[in-house]
This record gives sequence, structure tokens and C-alpha cells, in this order.
Amino acid sequence: KQEVTQIPAALSVPEGENLVLNCSFTDSAIYNLQWFRQDPGKGLTSLLLIQSSQREQTSGRLNASLDKSSGRSTLYIAASQPGDSATYLCAVKDNDMRFGAGTRLTVKP
Amino acid sequence: DGGITQSPKYLFRKEGQNVTLSCEQNLNHDAMYWYRQDPGQGLRLIYYSQIVNDFQKGDIAEGYSVSREKKESFPLTVTSAQKNPTAFYLCASSIGGQGYITGELFFGEGSRLTVL
Repeated sequence: KQEVTQIPAALSVPEGENLVLNCSFTDSAIYNLQWFRQDPGKGLTSLLLIQSSQREQTSGRLNASLDKSSGRSTLYIAASQPGDSATYLCAVKDNDMRFGAGTRLTVKP
Repeated sequence: DGGITQSPKYLFRKEGQNVTLSCEQNLNHDAMYWYRQDPGQGLRLIYYSQIVNDFQKGDIAEGYSVSREKKESFPLTVTSAQKNPTAFYLCASSIGGQGYITGELFFGEGSRLTVL
């Protein structure tokens, strides 16, 4: 059974810093991987979707990479802002969709 | 605007009561899902539906029931048999079902259920 792990569980950085969030998964036979953002008490907002044949996707200050062979994905956030403070979740799709528990990011002004 | 609407946002239930959470989408998606989110845990799948009048159990279906009479609607009933129902419930949809490999998932804003 696929297991998805996100480490660290929480991260605090000063404004302007570039940062990387990590996602690892145990079974490399996936169709895609999706990164989401969740604000407190809200639903999930899709940030980036990487298909299994792709190595990375970019949207604005966000860049997500995928290395299936090693079971890893990273979400790179450039020039972080206080508005980036949220919980970031990754999810992998094989026959099911499996979610990590998320990394809670705080960007301090 | 296209999207997924969940209601109510907050719901309180007394023990022994059934409650129903609403989920409506206007994205013309075939597949709809219900997830449960507990603090510090990943989302867990309760039920999903790939087509009208059909639905399948997820990982934690016990104590829950669903219906899919219309493409746009996928209500979730939390029954009195669910022993620990206090949680945040999220409805999602995708253009195709579990077998549709591109399957980008879109979520509603969630409903928080508290048992008194």
C-alpha cells in the first residue's frame, strides 16, 4: 500500500527566503503527483500537477519536481511571502489517491 | 464561476443523530469523492462515485452513506453508527474516475462536523 510522507511537519522561515518542501512515496508506479495548498479551516487548492512522464512543473514562484525512481517530489517556493503561509500537501495517484499529512509553512515578515 | 460548493460550513450533531453534508459541483465532472481530514493526518477516502447511480466504498466507509442521483450532487450522510464523527469533511471532484489517469482533483471548502 502506497505511503506518502512529508517532512518536516512544520517549517518557519523569514520573508524573502527560498525554500523547499519535501514529499516522499513508497511505490514508484504512480500516474501523477499533485501539490495542494490548504489555509486554516479551508479546502485544498490545487497548485501543480505533475504527470508521471514529466520531471517538473512551474507556476509563478512555484516549481515542483518529480523523481519517480527515488520516490521523491519537491516543491520549491522562491522569494517567500507572508501570504504563502499555509499547509502544503502532496498526493500521489496510483490506483487510488494517497495524501501526505502536510507541511505547515509560516513565513515571518 | 465553476466550482464545488459544500454546505453547511459548520454543523453540530448530538449523539445518535444522522446528519447530511451537501456537495454540489458545476464543473461537469464525472467523478466525485468524500474525504475525511483529522489533525496531523492525511486525507482519508470515505466514498467515491465515478458515474451517476454508482458509488464505491473507500478506506473508511463504515458509519457513512452516500447517494449519486444527479451528476452534480453527491451528499454524504454521517450516521449514528459512526463512532468518532467529529472531523473536517472535504468533497472533491475530477473529470474522470479512479481509472482516469490524469485525474486532477478539485476540492470544495469543507464542512466541519462537531459531535456535542
